[in-house]
Amino acid sequence: SQTIHQWPATLVQPVGSPLSLECTVEGTSNPNLYWYRQAAGRGLQLLFYSVGIGQISSEVPQNLSASRPQDRQFILSSKKLLLSDSGFYLCAWSVHRVPFNSPLHFGNGTRLTVT
Amino acid sequence: QQPVQSPQAVILREGEDAVINCSSSKALYSVHWYRQKHGEAPVFLMILLKGGEQKGHEKISASFNEKKQQSSLYLTASQLSYSGTYFCGTEMTYNSGAGSYQLTFGKGTKLSVIP
Repeated sequence: SQTIHQWPATLVQPVGSPLSLECTVEGTSNPNLYWYRQAAGRGLQLLFYSVGIGQISSEVPQNLSASRPQDRQFILSSKKLLLSDSGFYLCAWSVHRVPFNSPLHFGNGTRLTVT
Repeated sequence: QQPVQSPQAVILREGEDAVINCSSSKALYSVHWYRQKHGEAPVFLMILLKGGEQKGHEKISASFNEKKQQSSLYLTASQLSYSGTYFCGTEMTYNSGAGSYQLTFGKGTKLSVIP
């Protein structure tokens, strides 16, 4: 069966510090991978998605970046965090399929607080 | 284009019914429904594809009206476990008729079921 791991679960970082969140998927190959952010009491905002190694699409201009160095690994990074980067970050995967009519499977999320 | 969900919040007593609506200004290929408990990751409920289908899962069902670009989630005889925030995610249709690789989520509907 497929599983998704996301870490760390919680993170408190000062403004201006770097960020690295990691997500890995097991039990499937060539998944679509996604990073979503959820601000307190808000909806799910798509940040990045990837359909393959090295292929990253950004949905929102910001100081965050994403990379996919391996088929089942997705990393969210920042060189300098802003207060507005605080939120609940969710990694998700889906079967690589066109059209996209397969479920999104979410990781447990990382709660990031920028102080 | 973010879909619009209504109502924003609803409070039910156990056993009551509720309807959550999701509408888009764009042509849709599919609509997804997810439920998120407080502090947890969203969990997939169901997908509806264009064609006006209706699906059900126990006492939770949904419909998708492609022409109206709307979907509705029906919760009947609500249980305490139904409490959470419900999100619809929409996949748009390109001019070619194909779907996209991404979901855009609404802001969510907070459902509270009380004894």
